[in-house]
Amino acid sequence: NAGVTQTPKFRILKIGQSMTLQCTQDMNHNYMYWYRQDPGMGLKLIYYSVGAGITDKGEVPNGYNVSRSTTEDFPLRLELAAPSQTSVYFCASRGANKETQYFGPGTRLLVL
Amino acid sequence: GIQVEQSPPDLILQEGANSTLRCNFSDSVNNLQWFHQNPWGQLINLFYIPSGTKQNGRLSATTVATERYSLLYISSSQTTDSGVYFCAVDTGRRALTFGSGTRLQVQP
Repeated sequence: NAGVTQTPKFRILKIGQSMTLQCTQDMNHNYMYWYRQDPGMGLKLIYYSVGAGITDKGEVPNGYNVSRSTTEDFPLRLELAAPSQTSVYFCASRGANKETQYFGPGTRLLVL
Repeated sequence: GIQVEQSPPDLILQEGANSTLRCNFSDSVNNLQWFHQNPWGQLINLFYIPSGTKQNGRLSATTVATERYSLLYISSSQTTDSGVYFCAVDTGRRALTFGSGTRLQVQP
């Protein structure tokens, strides 16, 4: 199993541009999550999904959108990028009966 | 929402020393995990420990759910233990709320 994979690893955006961060898991997990980590801080929840077709907002959803059309994929869309969205983005997943969350390697995003 | 506080915020150790990291949380939790974020930014699962004690090599963890705290013990520290240690709790919607972390530096 590859676990949780994320692409790209690093990206520079100009203010106002849009992009999609990709996340895929091959563990057949129902639950998937997007977090962001600002420098020197812990992670904060952006959006999460309890299964295909179901998504919900987390603590810091403004400026982001998600979709969950399959069990495996949970892309995060940034519309109109702003400098405040400069951060490291982590995707995670968890199975229905296992409580441990597994994290991807992260995407480092810089908005200039 | 739930508050998760970790202490100390920073810790410098000599190689071979032992340390205890603490995590306090403000409400009942269904799940508690400890993570190590290495210098390359990767988050590594250490323990899933909503209650009780677990050990894995030089690391062990204890959670006292009734008193709302968890402890992570690192014995005989090595330079590869350096990084940031996060405590994270599940507040019921199966997502994690993270503390601010303890930044550990182990010097040779």
